[in-house]
Amino acid sequence: ETGVTQTPRHLVMGMTNKKSLKCEQHLGHNAMYWYKQSAKKPLELMFVYSLEERVENNSVPSRFSPECPNSSHLFLHLHTLQPEDSALYLCASSQWTSGNEQFFGPGTRLTVL
Amino acid sequence: QQQVKQSPQSLIVQKGGISIINCAYENTAFDYFPWYQQFPGKGPALLIAIRPDVSEKKEGRFTISFNKSAKQFSLHIMDSQPGDSATYFCAASSSNTGKLIFGQGTTLQVKP
Repeated sequence: ETGVTQTPRHLVMGMTNKKSLKCEQHLGHNAMYWYKQSAKKPLELMFVYSLEERVENNSVPSRFSPECPNSSHLFLHLHTLQPEDSALYLCASSQWTSGNEQFFGPGTRLTVL
Repeated sequence: QQQVKQSPQSLIVQKGGISIINCAYENTAFDYFPWYQQFPGKGPALLIAIRPDVSEKKEGRFTISFNKSAKQFSLHIMDSQPGDSATYFCAASSSNTGKLIFGQGTTLQVKP
């Protein structure tokens, strides 16, 4: 266990559904991240939060909407997704954003039908 | 300039052999170079990391070699074991942004 948990572990949704991914870290970190991992591609950084403030939005489509209510929790709200959005979504946390080890959760395997 | 290029894409090594994975970068502002290991069904986990003030770092059977002038770094796994079979990612970041840029990953299979 890395101290970062994600729920659900697997999610199948239709293109018209609305769902949310949840991440929780128990490490006392103050930075949290969302990554997308697709087959044969590098991990893609989607969003960065530092002290609950979004500091990076890496040109992610608006159908992905992050929320960070406090430094321990991070959500990714999903709506009207496309089949190409099917991927493993990873959450990570670190102590600050600069040059520190990021601890990853196990990910949510998302399938969009 | 933000890319990190990783090779090979896949690697098969016999038990006891040496596994070598290479990465190259362009951005000279990068000053933190970690390697992550990912098993199926798990998220990536930090394996070993290096900063450019040293040319080599060793932790057990895992060694990072760093060549600042060539802008390359590599992971060597000595005495490779079947339990090392996983996907390995190199990454790089700069202190300015802290943003990790990942390589494409190498799938390592160690045959018994």
